[in-house]
Amino acid sequence: EDQVTQSPEALRLQEGESSSLNCSYTVSGLRGLFWYRQDPGKGPEFLFTLYSAGEEKEKERLKATLTKKESFLHITAPKPEDSATYLCAVEASNFGNEKLTFGTGTRLTIIP
Amino acid sequence: ETGVTQSPTHLIKTRGQQVTLRCSSQSGHNTVSWYQQALGQGPQFIFQYYREEENGRGNFPPRFSGLQFPNYSSELNVNALELDDSALYLCASSADRVSYEQYFGPGTRLTVT
Repeated sequence: EDQVTQSPEALRLQEGESSSLNCSYTVSGLRGLFWYRQDPGKGPEFLFTLYSAGEEKEKERLKATLTKKESFLHITAPKPEDSATYLCAVEASNFGNEKLTFGTGTRLTIIP
Repeated sequence: ETGVTQSPTHLIKTRGQQVTLRCSSQSGHNTVSWYQQALGQGPQFIFQYYREEENGRGNFPPRFSGLQFPNYSSELNVNALELDDSALYLCASSADRVSYEQYFGPGTRLTVT
């Protein structure tokens, strides 16, 4: 069974203090690993898709990386508006069952 | 904005009742997935529809059922509501069955009392 574990559960940073969120996974053949941002009471907002180990993607202050067992979301010089829950999900390469398996998320708070 | 809309925004139902939640997918997206998100948890996969047929189901009982229509809209129906069904229900659309990117709607908050 596909599993996704995110750490830490919650993270409080000062504005400008860089850090990383971790997503470790076990999946029977990875088709893709996804990062989403979710604000309270809203639907997840798509950030990145990573397909293979060694791949990296960047968007503003966020950078996502992927190895064979885990992914990191690096946040550089965060601002208060980066406060949200960050969700990681995987999709296995089982044809006919293209579902996302999510972790429980990391709740990020950036203090001004 | 993803172009995925859901209605209603909030809903309160009594245990034992039935509920229908609606989703309008992004134009051109022929695959829709439904997820249940309990408070403090990640979304859990309920089922997926591709071209109006069910294409995979998670660990949810048969009282959770769905429909997809040709006009990119879909429904999630839940019968015999239980207290544990209280959650945020999310739909997500993607361009085709093997598209890797799913775009989520804002969700429907269901409260069962």
